[in-house]
Amino acid sequence: GENVEQHPSTLSVQEGDSAVIKCTYSDSASNYFPWYKQELGKRPQLIIDIRSNVGEKKDQRIAVTLNKTAKHFSLHITETQPEDSAVYFCAGQGAQKLVFGQGTRLTINP
Amino acid sequence: DTEVTQTPKHLVMGMTNKKSLKCEQHMGHRAMYWYKQKAKKPPELMFVYSYEKLSINESVPSRFSPECPNSSLLNLHLHALQPEDSALYLCASSRDDPRLAYNEQFFGPGTRLTVL
Repeated sequence: GENVEQHPSTLSVQEGDSAVIKCTYSDSASNYFPWYKQELGKRPQLIIDIRSNVGEKKDQRIAVTLNKTAKHFSLHITETQPEDSAVYFCAGQGAQKLVFGQGTRLTINP
Repeated sequence: DTEVTQTPKHLVMGMTNKKSLKCEQHMGHRAMYWYKQKAKKPPELMFVYSYEKLSINESVPSRFSPECPNSSLLNLHLHALQPEDSALYLCASSRDDPRLAYNEQFFGPGTRLTVL
């Protein structure tokens, strides 16, 4: 089955700087890669996703890149703000199953 | 209505109790999911219902019993739970349209379960 590895487990950046979170996956059949943001005590919220026929996708300050050959994808957040502080999960989906990475706790320092 | 709702928000139960968690969506989604999330861990898939039929059971102990009465409702019946079952239980739904290469999952707010 699918296995998703996520790094780093914690990330601390200065407000205004960029943050990058990386994930690798094992199942070449996986075709959809969402990223979720989860604030303390809240539900996971989809912030961006990418399909396997696309290499890069951007939505304002957030971008995701996918390298199918290397089986890795990354989340890039630019001009970080305090409200970006949260736990971020990457995931890979094949068939009906979403397999999550272990999460990255992102802290934005003012 | 573009949300997944879950009740109750919090539940405390003893090991001999029987309780149920409820999930509801009115987005016309045909797949519904139960996840378990422990603190500082990712959501862990438990069950998937597709078109009201159980399609995936991730080897979950029988003290957890899912039920999908109709395409909008998903229940999780709990019986004889253990303290280690304490966690946030998340419900999710997706379109499950076979014409799509992917199906975005929408999560409910979760039920925080404590087993004493």
